Amino acid sequence: AQTVTQSQPEMSVQEAETVTLSCTYDTSESNYYLFWYKQPPSRQMILVIRQEAYKQQNATENRFSVNFQKAAKSFSLKISDSQLGDTAMYFCAFMKVDDYKLSFGAGTTVTVRA
Amino acid sequence: NAGVMQNPRHLVRRRGQEARLRCSPMKGHSHVYWYRQLPEEGLKFMVYLQKENIIDESGMPKERFSAEFPKEGPSILRIQQVVRGDSAAYFCASSPPGFSPLHFGNGTRLTVT
Repeated sequence: AQTVTQSQPEMSVQEAETVTLSCTYDTSESNYYLFWYKQPPSRQMILVIRQEAYKQQNATENRFSVNFQKAAKSFSLKISDSQLGDTAMYFCAFMKVDDYKLSFGAGTTVTVRA
Repeated sequence: NAGVMQNPRHLVRRRGQEARLRCSPMKGHSHVYWYRQLPEEGLKFMVYLQKENIIDESGMPKERFSAEFPKEGPSILRIQQVVRGDSAAYFCASSPPGFSPLHFGNGTRLTVT
């Protein structure tokens, strides 16, 4: 079974600054997908970014980027130019290729201060 | 194109009652997944269904929980004789064939009193 660990329960960042969320995972698979989901107070689960393990290039979506270190089994999320609307819980998740089960970490609560 | 629709948004049940949670997948999606989120935890997989078929229910508790996805109508997650430990947010997700990224609904928060 895959385990996903998010070691930071809470993070606080000033508006317009940068925050980095850590995520590590444990797997014996060589190919898989990694995701970051955002869950604002509305409770909706929003896909922020996705990374395929076979791709060396780090995924980027506007102000969100990842640092994928396959050998270290690390998948951190960087939020640049933080905005108040980024306040949410962020979940790291893992999925094997050709599978359908997502394994989630426990989440990191990010608070953006004005 | 409406997203994944879950209702009710909030559900309160007394111990021993039944809870029925509904999920309508996105248009064109034939795969439905149910996840449970306990307080301060990430989501945990419960069950994967296609129309009229349960594909994988390995994450479902063995007793009191059942799920269906009929040919017509929404997917239903049913919890019989609820207990306080069932209090959680229950999320439904859907995808087209091929397991592309899941699209989640807004969840149903079940509170058992």
